[in-house]
Formats: sequence, C-alpha cells, structure tokens
Amino acid sequence: DQQVKQNSPSLSVQEGRISILNCDYTNSMFDYFLWYKKYPAEGPTFLISISSIKDKNEDGRFTVFLNKSAKHLSLHIVPSQPGDSAVYFCAAELMNYGGSQGNLIFGKGTKLSVKP
Amino acid sequence: DSGVTQTPKHLITATGQRVTLRCSPRSGDLSVYWYQQSLDQGLQFLIQYYNGEERAKGNILERFSAQQFPDLHSELNLSSLELGDSALYFCASSPATLAGGAGELFFGEGSRLTVL
Repeated sequence: DQQVKQNSPSLSVQEGRISILNCDYTNSMFDYFLWYKKYPAEGPTFLISISSIKDKNEDGRFTVFLNKSAKHLSLHIVPSQPGDSAVYFCAAELMNYGGSQGNLIFGKGTKLSVKP
Repeated sequence: DSGVTQTPKHLITATGQRVTLRCSPRSGDLSVYWYQQSLDQGLQFLIQYYNGEERAKGNILERFSAQQFPDLHSELNLSSLELGDSALYFCASSPATLAGGAGELFFGEGSRLTVL
C-alpha cells in the first residue's frame, strides 16, 4: 500500500518555463512533507519542506503547495533551468511517539528534464 | 558532499551469501536511517536508529538486520541473499531528534548491491 504517490514517472519542460511536480498521499496524519532531488550516482538531497499546518512554502525558485483536503502537494520550479534536470522525490514524515523526528516515506520519484 | 559515508560503493555477490554495508553518519548526527531503492521503486524505509537504539522499523526483511555502534556508525547486514535483494542501499543521518523537526535527512551516495 503506497502512502505517497507520484503518478508521473517523467516530465519534460522547456528552459525558463514552470515545472510542476505533483504528489498525492493517503495518510492524513503526516506532519511534514519534503521534496528531495537526486542526480545520477548521488544520494538524494533535501530541497524544500512544508509543515502540515501550512499551505505554502517558498524558497527562491522553488515553491511547495499543500492542499490537505485533497491530500495533494506540488512543487513548482520557476523558472526551470537545465541544471534542475534530476529525479524529484516527494516524501512525508510521521513524527515518532513523543514528537521526535520520524522516518520519511518516499514516493517513486518523477524524472524532470529541462531542455535548453 | 553530504558528510555521510557509505562503503562499499559497489558489491557483487552470489545468492545465499551474506554481506555487510557500512555507514558513517555526519559528525554530530545521532540518527541513522537505512533505505532500499530497487529498480523502478522509490526509497523504501528499512530501519532507523537513534544513539544506538532502534527507533523505527519499516519493511525490513527478517534476513536483514542492522545496528548502530557507540561511535554512531551503523551496519546493515543482509543474509541468505536472493536475486531480488539487488538494489541501491542508502544510509542517511540527521541531527539529534528534534520535536517538530522538518525531517531533513542527509543521504550518502549509496551502496549498489548486485546479487547473481
């Protein structure tokens, strides 16, 4: 049972345009949502996160939107650059009992290709 | 460079064998996580340790075990290996558990295991 789903395995965007990556989840108890970026032969690196009590978080060209009623979040990259080409993983966190940091549950990833 | 070191980077072995993957977390990080990434799959959470103690368990097979040592490095032991165990195994670390933490994990480059 996949709790975090990224239904688009790939996305191709022209340089300078907006990239929108989507993610759906099933567990309404998730506390945080995160996006990670992964280049080939490297480990995933943290990109941006959002608390479940917020609906938007922005960091430079990256903005994450959270729609709790729809159990959906999205990552917007504006403007997209060729260096953004990577696999993007959506992840959700369940805090451990007592409120401490828990493990992350990842989606399968979306491969973004930004063409010059 | 995330500061998380994993060895070996590549490992080829035969079915039925046993291997040990090693992880050194970032300096000061007390939590260590193990993830498995199989072909076309997202990152599957295996197990989390915090300061030497098991904190959370995911979809880890009984043939797999892990531990975190007093110096905080961790080892993942995989035994009675099967073809389906071929995957990338990632280790990640994070700072001391933080109430309300954003869940950012720092990943190593992974250990690629091939079972023939």
